[in-house]
Amino acid sequence: DGGITQSPKYLFRKEGQNVTLSCEQNLNHDAMYWYRQDPGQGLRLIYYSQIVNDFQKGDIAEGYSVSREKKESFPLTVTSAQKNPTAFYLCASSRRTGIGDGYTFGSGTRLTVV
Amino acid sequence: AQSVTQPDIHITVSEGASLELRCNYSYGATPYLFWYVQSPGQGLQLLLKYFSGDTLVQGIKGFEAEFKRSQSSFNLRKPSVHWSDAAEYFCAVGMNDMRFGAGTRLTVKP
Repeated sequence: DGGITQSPKYLFRKEGQNVTLSCEQNLNHDAMYWYRQDPGQGLRLIYYSQIVNDFQKGDIAEGYSVSREKKESFPLTVTSAQKNPTAFYLCASSRRTGIGDGYTFGSGTRLTVV
Repeated sequence: AQSVTQPDIHITVSEGASLELRCNYSYGATPYLFWYVQSPGQGLQLLLKYFSGDTLVQGIKGFEAEFKRSQSSFNLRKPSVHWSDAAEYFCAVGMNDMRFGAGTRLTVKP
């Protein structure tokens, strides 16, 4: 079955460390997205990519970086510059660059700073 | 400015009772409208979507939503709630990107 795989499900980061969250899709979708979810705040867009080797900042990109070297993969790095990284991170993809079909979401990665 | 408002943070209903979750949006034109459901610790699943046509939209799991242009609303309904419907529900709107409301947490009483 096609879908989006996020790994790991749980991730612990020490202060000052960079960590990378994996997102892989086998849906042949062109566009991919990273969202951050905090209680009571809904989902906020971090980065998105509409095509390989191209990506754009979302509303809260500071302290994060991404790459899109393959259509299937869109990893997110949470850098030490992100001062409050503890959150639930969701990756999504869509068939076209427009949103008419809605997004398909992965099952998320919960990142905790220890 | 584009925005999505879900006025109810938390709703509790009894199993078998009807449900309505509210969503209001502010947008320059009629955007795509979506409802998603999220179980604890999981991703979001699309329940239904609307862009044009019949303003009453049927979705999965027995949910429906009604678009009301005059009220800029897209409320989600279900005639009879099951215990398995307990989850968080998100309204989302947009044209080129998707904006999410803050979510409504649904608790179902036995």
